[in-house]
Amino acid sequence: LAKTTQPISMDSYEGQEVNITCSHNNIATNDYITWYQQFPSQGPRFIIQGYKTKVTNEVASLFIPADRKSSTLSLPRVSLSDTAVYYCLVGGGDTDKLIFGTGTRLQVFP
Amino acid sequence: DSGVTQTPKHLITATGQRVTLRCSPRSGDLSVYWYQQSLDQGLQFLIQYYNGEERAKGNILERFSAQQFPDLHSELNLSSLELGDSALYFCASSAASGGYPGNEQFFGPGTRLTVL
Repeated sequence: LAKTTQPISMDSYEGQEVNITCSHNNIATNDYITWYQQFPSQGPRFIIQGYKTKVTNEVASLFIPADRKSSTLSLPRVSLSDTAVYYCLVGGGDTDKLIFGTGTRLQVFP
Repeated sequence: DSGVTQTPKHLITATGQRVTLRCSPRSGDLSVYWYQQSLDQGLQFLIQYYNGEERAKGNILERFSAQQFPDLHSELNLSSLELGDSALYFCASSAASGGYPGNEQFFGPGTRLTVL
């Protein structure tokens, strides 16, 4: 099973770009990488999903190197409302197992 | 609002008891997932059902079971409860064709279970 690790916390200021990494050394060939955002007392909310290279949507970018052993979520120009916990989720491929990362608590300051 | 509903919102019970958590997926979603979130274990995938059939299994204890009914709502049954079962239990649903577990999931607000 894939084991996924993330930095415990990160601090940033409004308007800055934030990059959050996830390490998943044992990712399976057909596993996807998905990122979720979670606010206190709420369920996680989908941000972005990818398999390899780069994916971009209206809120974030996801960078996945060729070996796929890690991924980086990039949040451009964060605001105070981006203060939350961010999780990577690996799986859904060969193993049909879904493994959440340890979560990164992002604090955005004015 | 994700469109996924869970009941009850809070549940307080005693060790050794049995409880049932209920989840209604978004309209049209055939897949339902159950997760447990606790401070020491983080978010853990328990089980997935697709159109009434078990599709994928994670770290679900033998004391726990789930099912998905013809109307697609799902129930998670937790029995012989222990103090360590106290956690937030989330249900999620997705519209993935064929029940592929890796697609975007929509999470409900969760049920907070406290075992005393």
